[in-house]
Order: sequence, then C-alpha cells, then structure tokens
Amino acid sequence: AQKITQTQPGMFVQEKEAVTLDCTYDTSDQSYGLFWYKQPSSGEMIFLIYQGSYDEQNATEGRYSLNFQKARKSANLVISASQLGDSAMYFCAMREVNTNAGKSTFGDGTTLTVKP
Amino acid sequence: GAVVSQHPSRVICKSGTSVKIECRSLDFQATTMFWYRQFPKKSLMLMATSNEGSKATYEQGVEKDKFLINHASLTLSTLTVTSAHPEDSSFYICSARAGEHADTQYFGPGTRLTVL
Repeated sequence: AQKITQTQPGMFVQEKEAVTLDCTYDTSDQSYGLFWYKQPSSGEMIFLIYQGSYDEQNATEGRYSLNFQKARKSANLVISASQLGDSAMYFCAMREVNTNAGKSTFGDGTTLTVKP
Repeated sequence: GAVVSQHPSRVICKSGTSVKIECRSLDFQATTMFWYRQFPKKSLMLMATSNEGSKATYEQGVEKDKFLINHASLTLSTLTVTSAHPEDSSFYICSARAGEHADTQYFGPGTRLTVL
C-alpha cells in the first residue's frame, strides 16, 4: 500500500480563492512528521509547512495551513487567497521516526494552476 | 531557513563519461544527506542516504557502483554518475537534515543531467 496518497493529479483555482490539496497517509508508527513542499517549474523543492503527529494544533504558516485529522490519517494543505505565483507542483511527505529508517516518503504530487 | 546548494545546476555530457554533482549545506551541519532522482511530472525517488563519515545506504534497485556517493564532511556530499548513459538523464536533487532527530529536510535546487 502506498504510504502517501495524493488523489488529485491536477487542481485549478481562481486567483484570490482558497484551495485544499488532499493528502492521506498510512503508518503504524506512533511518531511521525508530515510535510508539504512546493516545486515550481524551476525544480527547487520549497518547504512549506510541518505537522508533528503529537501536535494538537493544526500547523499554520502565513497563507498555508495544514488540516490534520489524525484519526482519518489525512493532512490536507489549505492555501488561502491564492496567488498566480502559487502555480506549482505540491508534494505531501511523511517521515516515520521509528520505522523506514527515518526516511521521508513522498506522494505523487498535485499540480496546482491558479487562474487569473 | 537553512540553505542547501547544488552544483552544477545543469550538465550535458557524452555517453560513457562520469559526472560529479555536489551538494552543500551552507549554514548548518548536515549529518544526513539524501539523493533523489525525479522524472518529469513525477514524484521524488530516493536513491540513497548519505551519512557523514560512513558508507551510503542505497535503496533497492539503485546500483551503488554506478551512483557513487561520498559524504566527506558535515557540509558536503557528492554524487558521481559513472559511465553515464542516456537513460541516466534526469533531475537529481539532494536534501540535508541537520541531525538524526531533526524532522525537516532542506532541498538543494537540483541538477538537470542530460546524457547525449
């Protein structure tokens, strides 16, 4: 089974609107971290936001927030007030502390296009 | 945030030659560095985990004799693609983690390798 599932290969959003990118994960580890990265056409992977499995509050970083639902094993990224510069590929990733040798596993990504 | 550089950003070489890619953590010491390969519009595929002062750990299916990794210092890891062939053409990205228990990986800007 895939450890990280991003079910939306592509998403469109109107400028200034909010958009949610889905991510579900699978792990039996009690301690793990969840990440979102943005990859624009230049190729660089830009770290956006982090959520620890024991964090009770949803993580927020500026216009980015992570909707963490532990029981459902989902970690959706919400981007508020979309901007044209948000058009990029977005990857959800998980690092399990005690299994998988602490390596990170990445989803297949979602390509977000912001329309003017 | 932490900065990771990669050099070169783009390289074109002839089939049969070797290419070295450098990954440096500029403002922190990276005990662990990771090397990924990414095909267009696809996810990151972990090739190997590089720990300072020890041999790299390669993922299943990755030829260690073809992709030589050296992590000689806490700020530098190198990936050498030996006897490159056109099928080795890809986008190679490194990332670095500040410590074994550090969660966030910081990525370099990537190196686009084209083998003619």
